[in-house]
Amino acid sequence: QVQLQESGPGLVKPSETLSLTCTVSGGSISTYYWSWIRQPPGKGLEWIAYIYYSGSTNYNPSLKSRVTMSVDTSKNQFSLKLSSVSAADTAVYYCARAPKYCTNGVCSIYYFDYWGQGSLVTVSS
Amino acid sequence: QSALTQPASVSGSPGQSITISCTGTSSDVGSYNLVSWYQQHPGKAPKVIIYEGSKRPAGVSNRFSGSKSGNTASLTISGLQAEDEADYYCCSYAGSSTLFGGGTKLTVL
Repeated sequence: QVQLQESGPGLVKPSETLSLTCTVSGGSISTYYWSWIRQPPGKGLEWIAYIYYSGSTNYNPSLKSRVTMSVDTSKNQFSLKLSSVSAADTAVYYCARAPKYCTNGVCSIYYFDYWGQGSLVTVSS
Repeated sequence: QSALTQPASVSGSPGQSITISCTGTSSDVGSYNLVSWYQQHPGKAPKVIIYEGSKRPAGVSNRFSGSKSGNTASLTISGLQAEDEADYYCCSYAGSSTLFGGGTKLTVL
């Protein structure tokens, strides 16, 4: 059974960089896409970004200028960095696995089958 | 790209059926049969209940079904049970992006 676990600081100061890591157990990080999704308190879900095990990435256009994802296959981990945070970035951050979907030679994601339990990150001074 | 549109809330009595709509555009829901639906109980992570429009993952009750017409996808829950009370989110492939709906709170009366 695949399990994902988020880790990182629960409190980040405004204008600083939010950093989270997701550790995958029970399966290899290879051949899948891996994603970050967030949920502000009392609000809906927002897709942030995804990365393929090979390192190719795709970011939400609304966050693209501030987001960086990376993957470490030797540790079965992938990470998220979100720079210049503000109170609007306060949310529960979920990591998730995403099966690959390919059409006309282009591959992407199409749903999320395994999720971490979520990590609350609060942006406050 | 804007979020997909869902009703804020729906309700039904035990044993009844309800349908939650998810409206997008011809660039997302309308162009691909790649809508997924997630169930989220309070304080828990979302769980996929429908993917690729109408497919159910192993272990998900056949009381949950998905469909699509034009730019609108729908989730139907039949034989409502108390445990179905939760938030439901739709999600669509949109080419280079992935869009979620705003979520629908289902109340079982």
